[in-house]
Amino acid sequence: NAGVTQTPKFQVLKTGQSMTLQCAQDMNHEYMSWYRQDPGMGLRLIHYSVGAGITDQGEVPNGYNVSRSTTEDFPLRLLSAAPSQTSVYFCASSNYGAETQYFGPGTRLLVL
Amino acid sequence: DAKTTQPPSMDCAEGRAANLPCNHSTISGNEYVYWYRQIHSQGPQYIIHGLKNNETNEMASLIITEDRKSSTLILPHATLRDTAVYYCIVRPPNTGTASKLTFGTGTRLQVTL
Repeated sequence: NAGVTQTPKFQVLKTGQSMTLQCAQDMNHEYMSWYRQDPGMGLRLIHYSVGAGITDQGEVPNGYNVSRSTTEDFPLRLLSAAPSQTSVYFCASSNYGAETQYFGPGTRLLVL
Repeated sequence: DAKTTQPPSMDCAEGRAANLPCNHSTISGNEYVYWYRQIHSQGPQYIIHGLKNNETNEMASLIITEDRKSSTLILPHATLRDTAVYYCIVRPPNTGTASKLTFGTGTRLQVTL
């Protein structure tokens, strides 16, 4: 099992550019979610999904879109990048009925 | 979800027990206490969780007070690799919104030689 994988590891964007952060898991987990972590702060939930075709907003959803067409993948889209979106982004997954969330290694995004 | 309060930082000598406290005075009857840790630049890692009984696994022990208003994570023999930020999280059991973990700022544990 590769667990939770995220690509790219690093990305630099200019203000206004769009991009997609990829997240995939090979554990057949129903739940997937995206968090962002700003320097010196804890993780904040952006969006989450309880299964294919079902998504919902977290604490800080503005400026981000998600979709869940398959169980394995949960991409996060930045529609028009802003400097305030400079952060480290973590994807996580878990199984229904399980209490453990598995996190990916993160994507470090810099928006200039 | 109930809020938690943790000290911002702690030090521990290698080989000694690290005791990390967490206050959760507004915890509800069905809410669990979870502990995750985040080693520098990595994704958070699950450690342990419990409801009201003390719990132990291969990584740590969790002691929850009888009134459930506070808990302590114990790393019995801390090593340099245990240097990380430790997050105490309180939330209801996995009921369909399992993806929602509310992270605070945690406790930065520094293990020293």
